[in-house]
Amino acid sequence: SQELEQSPQSLIVQEGKNLTINCTSSKTLYGLYWYKQKYGEGLIFLMMLQKGGEEKSHEKITAKLDEKKQQSSLHITASQPSHAGIYLCGADIGGQNFVFGPGTRLSVLP
Amino acid sequence: KAGVTQTPRYLIKTRGQQVTLSCSPISGHRSVSWYQQTPGQGLQFLFEYFSETQRNKGNFPGRFSGRQFSNSRSEMNVSTLELGDSALYLCASSDQGQPMNTEAFFGQGTRLTVV
Repeated sequence: SQELEQSPQSLIVQEGKNLTINCTSSKTLYGLYWYKQKYGEGLIFLMMLQKGGEEKSHEKITAKLDEKKQQSSLHITASQPSHAGIYLCGADIGGQNFVFGPGTRLSVLP
Repeated sequence: KAGVTQTPRYLIKTRGQQVTLSCSPISGHRSVSWYQQTPGQGLQFLFEYFSETQRNKGNFPGRFSGRQFSNSRSEMNVSTLELGDSALYLCASSDQGQPMNTEAFFGQGTRLTVV
């Protein structure tokens, strides 16, 4: 099984709607990272969270880290078609082992 | 600053052949990591090089190898290709040690198809 699980697997929302993507780890997190990927291309760094309770925002995207629950959420406010893509969480779970979640595919309908 | 450059972008190889992929990191970055992305397994860590030394390695067979040169450019080699090696191979560079402790910049990837 995956060390990082993401939910939902895919999401279709109407432009302007808010949405949340979750990332849950089965192991202790030493750092949690969010990336966005356009199909077949490289990853674009969004945010890095390293402390429990940490929350970061960039434009309309906010990410939070709940260390106790070993979970992070990514929230997009007033979604736009430009937000469409695959969102991946990545984490350092110790032992110099870097893992990624399976990704959440987001579609935003105009 | 130029971004991370991976070459070639696309590659088609036959089973049993070998392939070499190249990654040029951002100028000044000393860490280069390689990842394999497939629909079934997702994004998986292959290995990380820092200052010409392999520091971390994922769970891939010995057919997958890499190296890093003094200018930080890195190459990844896959020998005796199998159909299952068809994937998008991504490299990431960062200015510090372990790439996940800092912002890692990814290349566009090399899409390898094994027929």
